[in-house]
Amino acid sequence: GAGVSQSPSNKVTEKGKDVELRCDPISGHTALYWYRQSLGQGLEFLIYFQGNSAPDKSGLPSDRFSAERTGGSVSTLTIQRTQQEDSAVYLCASSLEGGRTYEQYFGPGTRLTVT
Amino acid sequence: GENVEQHPSTLSVQEGDSAVIKCTYSDSASNYFPWYKQELGKRPQLIIDIRSNVGEKKDQRIAVTLNKTAKHFSLHITETQPEDSAVYFCAATRGGAGSYQLTFGKGTKLSVIP
Repeated sequence: GAGVSQSPSNKVTEKGKDVELRCDPISGHTALYWYRQSLGQGLEFLIYFQGNSAPDKSGLPSDRFSAERTGGSVSTLTIQRTQQEDSAVYLCASSLEGGRTYEQYFGPGTRLTVT
Repeated sequence: GENVEQHPSTLSVQEGDSAVIKCTYSDSASNYFPWYKQELGKRPQLIIDIRSNVGEKKDQRIAVTLNKTAKHFSLHITETQPEDSAVYFCAATRGGAGSYQLTFGKGTKLSVIP
């Protein structure tokens, strides 16, 4: 079946502009995660959604970052007033049920470049 | 919070040799440990995982071992092939505690020399 998809695949923006990144999880997956991968680094957790529960926002690096998940499916990560240090690959992952199966499947990522 | 250390950062092996990557974690409540393979420009792919009630798991040429007492786990790849060349990430999560966020190591770049 279809895997996790993300759009756009690449985004170049000027410092100070807002950007929106989109994630479509695997159909039926209730848990959705956003991670950030900086050049040559591991993945850094940003935010987690599970069903109708309040999201775990503990990984968001600043209040310029926010995310929402509409209808329990598609998620949008928004970065306001982008800074150069926001340049990274933003990866989305989904899993079937956060409580029973832990396997997370990743999307291809959005490469964000802030100039 | 959880902290995962991964070693080595780079590893070169001759084709056919074995490769071992080691990770340590800090949170004794962590109970799920996946390994991801990421080829250049591609998404991370889950290759094997282990849960805290198991000490070892194998899948063909890949195996993972877990030592809960010492809080470390390792990836073993036998009979390496050029297509094994990639960056490998270990990760850990508590699971069952409301959030299943993965804490990742910084990765190991494995190069298999033909």
